[in-house]
Amino acid sequence: TQLLEQSPQFLSIQEGENLTVYCNSSSVFSSLQWYRQEPGEGPVLLVTVVTGGEVKKLKRLTFQFGDARKDSSLHITAAQPGDTGLYLCAPRNSGNTPLVFGKGTRLSVIA
Amino acid sequence: GAVVSQHPSWVICKSGTSVKIECRSLDFQATTMFWYRQFPKQSLMLMATSNEGSKATYEQGVEKDKFLINHASLTLSTLTVTSAHPEDSSFYICSARSSAAHTDTQYFGPGTRLTVL
Repeated sequence: TQLLEQSPQFLSIQEGENLTVYCNSSSVFSSLQWYRQEPGEGPVLLVTVVTGGEVKKLKRLTFQFGDARKDSSLHITAAQPGDTGLYLCAPRNSGNTPLVFGKGTRLSVIA
Repeated sequence: GAVVSQHPSWVICKSGTSVKIECRSLDFQATTMFWYRQFPKQSLMLMATSNEGSKATYEQGVEKDKFLINHASLTLSTLTVTSAHPEDSSFYICSARSSAAHTDTQYFGPGTRLTVL
């Protein structure tokens, strides 16, 4: 089992602020996925990072995969209340292996 | 994108009764489906992996006789919580992986909130 640590666990910020959340492991991942889950809904895939050092941007969200492919970060610029949710990372697996999530970072953006 | 539905979206039942939750892949075939459980303020915890036409594989600590999983077709898996108790109250989420070649993306349903009184 690949142990994932996400930090911080909880984050409450004001609208307009920037933030970074982290996903770390001692294991090397072939690729990693970030999801966002809003209250009362299922998780929605945001991005998959594959290459060490890769940076992907999704509007105000910037995802980075560590050079050694053991860690990843998500940076949100000018956070908005719509960014509120649970951010989850999971190593991407193939075949019949299921996604196993970290504990997540629960973000609250206050207007 | 691929759509996964769950029914019902919420259910309230009395202690000791059984509840069935359906998970359907609407526009793709899913050889494998997964069931997760999420308690308040926590992450998703994998309960079991369900393969079409065969027995489900349960994670450690999940009682297979309590959480019955049936995956009778490539588009439907069901989770039955038998003899439900208040501690089974949770948010149950299913996920389906497409059987199509060159894709291994897991698509998630919207979840079913179970409250056992």
